[in-house]
Amino acid sequence: AQSVTQLGSHVSVSEGALVLLRCNYSSSVPPYLFWYVQYPNQGLQLLLKYTSAATLVKGINGFEAEFKKSETSFHLTKPSAHMSDAAEYFCAVWVPGNTPLVFGKGTRLSVIA
Amino acid sequence: GAGVSQSPSNKVTEKGKDVELRCDPISGHTALYWYRQRLGQGLEFLIYFQGNSAPDKSGLPSDRFSAERTGESVSTLTIQRTQQEDSAVYLCASSADRSSSYEQYFGPGTRLTVT
Repeated sequence: AQSVTQLGSHVSVSEGALVLLRCNYSSSVPPYLFWYVQYPNQGLQLLLKYTSAATLVKGINGFEAEFKKSETSFHLTKPSAHMSDAAEYFCAVWVPGNTPLVFGKGTRLSVIA
Repeated sequence: GAGVSQSPSNKVTEKGKDVELRCDPISGHTALYWYRQRLGQGLEFLIYFQGNSAPDKSGLPSDRFSAERTGESVSTLTIQRTQQEDSAVYLCASSADRSSSYEQYFGPGTRLTVT
């Protein structure tokens, strides 16, 4: 069975600083990987996805993530944080034939002015 | 087009009461999923519907939980004899079909509080 571990339940960065949210996965078959963002009182919005093509994936709002098979990681980065980036971020894994997405516990990002 | 909608947005109920949560998927999406999000936790898969196939109920936590879907449209998640540990946000998602089940679009959720 696949699983996702997000390191750090809460990350705080200054406005303009680098954002790095960590995600490690476990899967016995090549996975698809996702980052979702959840703003307060809203549903999940897909930020970006890795589906076995390019290992560096660019998403919305300036975010990107790199799939590193050797490290079983899919960390999310953004060069410069904005106040509007404050939200909960979820990493998820999916494998063909197993329909539910498996989510990590989430990382809450705070951005300090 | 319209996204996934859920109702009610908030529900407060007394312990022991039954509740029904509704999900309207994106039109034309044959697959529908229910997830539960407890405070400080990730999303926990509950149940999955795909067209007219038998639903995948493997994530339902107890027999107090059930869900129905009429064709490829609305779904209702029912929790009987609610307990305080049922308090959570219940999220619904839909996808176009099984082959693209990773492309899930989420509704805003129903926040359930059991007092």
